[in-house]
Amino acid sequence: GQQVMQIPQYQHVQEGEDFTTYCNSSTTLSNIQWYKQRPGGHPVFLIQLVKSGEVKKQKRLTFQFGEAKKNSSLHITATQTTDVGTYFCAGPLRYGNKLVFGAGTILRVKS
Amino acid sequence: NAGVTQTPKFQVLKTGQSMTLQCAQDMNHEYMSWYRQDPGMGLRLIHYSVGAGITDQGEVPNGYNVSRSTTEDFPLRLLSAAPSQTSVYFCASSYSSLREQYFGPGTRLTVT
Repeated sequence: GQQVMQIPQYQHVQEGEDFTTYCNSSTTLSNIQWYKQRPGGHPVFLIQLVKSGEVKKQKRLTFQFGEAKKNSSLHITATQTTDVGTYFCAGPLRYGNKLVFGAGTILRVKS
Repeated sequence: NAGVTQTPKFQVLKTGQSMTLQCAQDMNHEYMSWYRQDPGMGLRLIHYSVGAGITDQGEVPNGYNVSRSTTEDFPLRLLSAAPSQTSVYFCASSYSSLREQYFGPGTRLTVT
C-alpha cells in the first residue's frame, strides 16, 4: 500500500477561508515534493522541501517539512477559486529511486 | 521543447486486448516513470526507469511491462487488458526522483 499518507481526502471551503492538507510518511524522506492538478489536467510541480523544519512560501501558499522529515503540510491563506484542484505530496522511497505520491486532497472553493 | 508527450489521449480496449501507451520526452531526463490515477487512490507508481536499459517495479506493476531502449522513450505495455486497468495513465520525467517531475497530458484508458 501507499507509504505516503495524505489527509483530508476532500475539503470544501468558502472563498476567503484558509485550507490545509497534511502529508505523513512511514519512513524518513530525503525530500518532499508538492504538486497541484487542476480538474482535467496533469500534475504540476509546486515546490520541494529538503531540510528538516524547512518552511517555504509562495504568495498565499506556505509549505512546511517536519523536524523528523516524516511529515509535511501545505497551507493556503484566503483561498480563491483559482486554487481549486487536487494537491499531492510525493516522497522518494527505496534509496531515493522510487517517487511515491499521496492520495491527494481535493480542494473545492465556493464563491 | 515539447516536454513530455503521450499518445494516445484516449483509448477503448476490449478485455484481453493488448496495447502500448507511448511516452517521449525531449529534455534529456534520465528518470522516467508511469503512474495510474484512479478516484480516491491518487497517483500510483506502476514502473520507473533511472536510465536507458534500467527499469524497476513500482507499487502496482502487475499486468504491465516496460522497457527503456533510449533516453527519450518509455513505453508502457498492457499485456492482456482487464476492466481493472481502466484508469488515467500519466508518464513523467525528471533528472532524478529527487527533482521536479514533468508530467505528460495523460492517456484515458477504458477497458470494457
